[in-house]
Amino acid sequence: DAGVIQSPRHEVTEMGQEVTLRCKPISGHNSLFWYRQTMMRGLELLIYFNNNVPIDDSGMPEDRFSAKMPNASFSTLKIQPSEPRDSAVYFCASSLGLATGELFFGEGSRLTVL
Amino acid sequence: AQTVTQSQPEMSVQEAETVTLSCTYDTSESDYYLFWYKQPPSRQMILVIRQEAYKQQNATENRFSVNFQKAAKSFSLKISDSQLGDAAMYFCAYRGFQGAQKLVFGQGTRLTINP
Repeated sequence: DAGVIQSPRHEVTEMGQEVTLRCKPISGHNSLFWYRQTMMRGLELLIYFNNNVPIDDSGMPEDRFSAKMPNASFSTLKIQPSEPRDSAVYFCASSLGLATGELFFGEGSRLTVL
Repeated sequence: AQTVTQSQPEMSVQEAETVTLSCTYDTSESDYYLFWYKQPPSRQMILVIRQEAYKQQNATENRFSVNFQKAAKSFSLKISDSQLGDAAMYFCAYRGFQGAQKLVFGQGTRLTINP
């Protein structure tokens, strides 16, 4: 079975540009999470969805960040405009509710904003 | 809010020896999951072991085992017969049954295996 699929794996962009990160969760999973990892702050939860509905977006740093989940098999995280401090690895993860509790992670998208 | 603390930023161990990574957490919930995830240089987050709080028996997965002390809110990971492939960042994580049900991570411990 395919795991969580994220794209792109690497993105280099210039400050001010729009960035869109994409995620396809594992089929049948009803919860989806976006995390950001940096050396300084570690792993931070940005937002999570349950049954395509945003449940907790308190970790979204500011209005430049937005996330959508139009259907059960696709989610996007958009940064507009991007800034150098947004440089990080962005992980998408999915889970089957609390059946096992485990989150399955994608390989991450490394974003570099110049 | 729940918090997870890993007090050892770095650990090292000789190949074939045993090492224990520490983790403490803070919660007011009675039912929850605890996890150890491994992140090798490839950056993929890999589940190592899972513990349900209502289970008294400590979880084991081959060379990996935990010491779960619910009253002390402690959840350490023991790696036996360490192998070079065990070198990675290890993250302790908490997920509650109530409320936000999000996965909260500790700061991580970088484990080095010396040949």
